[in-house]
Amino acid sequence: DAKTTQPPSMDCAEGRAANLPCNHSTISGNEYVYWYRQIHSQGPQYIIHGLKNNETNEMASLIITEDRKSSTLILPHATLRDTAVYYCIVRVNDRGSTLGRLYFGRGTQLTVWP
Amino acid sequence: ETGVTQTPRHLVMGMTNKKSLKCEQHLGHNAMYWYKQSAKKPLELMFVYSLEERVENNSVPSRFSPECPNSSHLFLHLHTLQPEDSALYLCASSQNRGLTYGYTFGSGTRLTVV
Repeated sequence: DAKTTQPPSMDCAEGRAANLPCNHSTISGNEYVYWYRQIHSQGPQYIIHGLKNNETNEMASLIITEDRKSSTLILPHATLRDTAVYYCIVRVNDRGSTLGRLYFGRGTQLTVWP
Repeated sequence: ETGVTQTPRHLVMGMTNKKSLKCEQHLGHNAMYWYKQSAKKPLELMFVYSLEERVENNSVPSRFSPECPNSSHLFLHLHTLQPEDSALYLCASSQNRGLTYGYTFGSGTRLTVV
């Protein structure tokens, strides 16, 4: 159970911001939100993660709502190479273990067009 | 190159063959994972190893046999596979001191069973 809901596909013009939404209404207080992306037939690539504060790195920004029930990944200036499937994942703290699991859903296919 | 290396990149095998997939990580991580990605399906978590001990087996058929001889190496031994086992097999590693660490994935082995 991926515990997240994402739109199956989105389009974005090159150079514009891509805003990818994710719902995780059943998230628990100690569960992190992770974003990965997978370019066709390659391994998933880590983008960013957060708990409750907004986060930014060289790849993207992550905006988490105050109630933590949803988040948005922002690619500020999308390029053609950002075309990929983007996965929003809630990392499950399984039975109190620190060995959290990553369960992937179907993600959002982002297509950046020229 | 992500620091997680999988070999071979492509493998074609008959249903009566025995083969092995290899994964090696040079990141000092202490947990390793096998995922399966079939066409048009989400990634499925198959096995989890923490400190070289298998801690999870998600109802994977016995024709898949994992082995983790040390914290840097992970194998997936394959025998008497079926055509429906054709998929991209991905290895990942992580450092499990708390839940704030993401996974690093390899590029995968594309397996075709004929």
